[in-house]
Amino acid sequence: DGGITQSPKYLFRKEGQNVTLSCEQNLNHDAMYWYRQDPGQGLRLIYYSQIVNDFQKGDIAEGYSVSREKKESFPLTVTSAQKNPTAFYLCASSAQGGEQFFGPGTRLTVL
Amino acid sequence: QKEVEQNSGPLSVPEGAIASLNCTYSDRGSQSFFWYRQYSGKSPELIMFIYSNGDKEDGRFTAQLNKASQYVSLLIRDSQPSDSATYLCAVTDAGGTSYGKLTFGQGTILTVHP
Repeated sequence: DGGITQSPKYLFRKEGQNVTLSCEQNLNHDAMYWYRQDPGQGLRLIYYSQIVNDFQKGDIAEGYSVSREKKESFPLTVTSAQKNPTAFYLCASSAQGGEQFFGPGTRLTVL
Repeated sequence: QKEVEQNSGPLSVPEGAIASLNCTYSDRGSQSFFWYRQYSGKSPELIMFIYSNGDKEDGRFTAQLNKASQYVSLLIRDSQPSDSATYLCAVTDAGGTSYGKLTFGQGTILTVHP
C-alpha cells in the first residue's frame, strides 16, 4: 500500500526542547515538503527537498531544520529557537511535475 | 511575495445546490493550479488540478481556469453534506518537468445543509 506516513500523530514539547517529526513515503517520489498550518490558516512552506542530500528553505524556515539522507525519509526538527511551534505539521511528496500528496499530519503542542 | 486569495467564507449551500469556490493569484508565471479538500482535523486531499485555460470536469467537480484574469474556481454540483469541509486553492509556477513549491490560499469553509 503506497503512501506517506507521519509520526507521531500528537506531540507535546516543553519549553527549550528540540523535537523531531518523522515523515516516510513509499511512492518513489523525488520531492518532499514540510508545511505548517495554524488554525484557520492555509499552509506555509517550511523546507523542501528535490533530491537526496539537498534541501532548500521555504517561507518560514527559521527555528526548523531538516535532513534528507534517504529518498524515502525527510524528518523535521523543531528547535528551541522556534518561539511559537504549536501547529499542525504536514509532510507532502510529489513526482516530477506532479501533484503533491500529503501525509496524515502531526499536531504539535507546546506545554 | 506571491499571493493566493480565496473568497471569504464560510459558504453555506443547501443540499443539491451548486457550490462555487473562487481563487485569485498574483503571480502571472503560475502554471499549475490545485484544489484540495480538508476535513476538520485531517490533512488536505487533492481533488482537482488544472493546467490549461478552460474547464476540467471530474464527476461532480468542475475546475475553471482563466489565466488572463488570474482566476481559478471550483464548482461542486449536487452538493452533499459530505462535501462540507475547507477547500484550499494552491498555485505553483512549476511546469511539467520540474518540482513545484505550492502557494496556498487561506481556505474557504463550505457547509452543505440538508
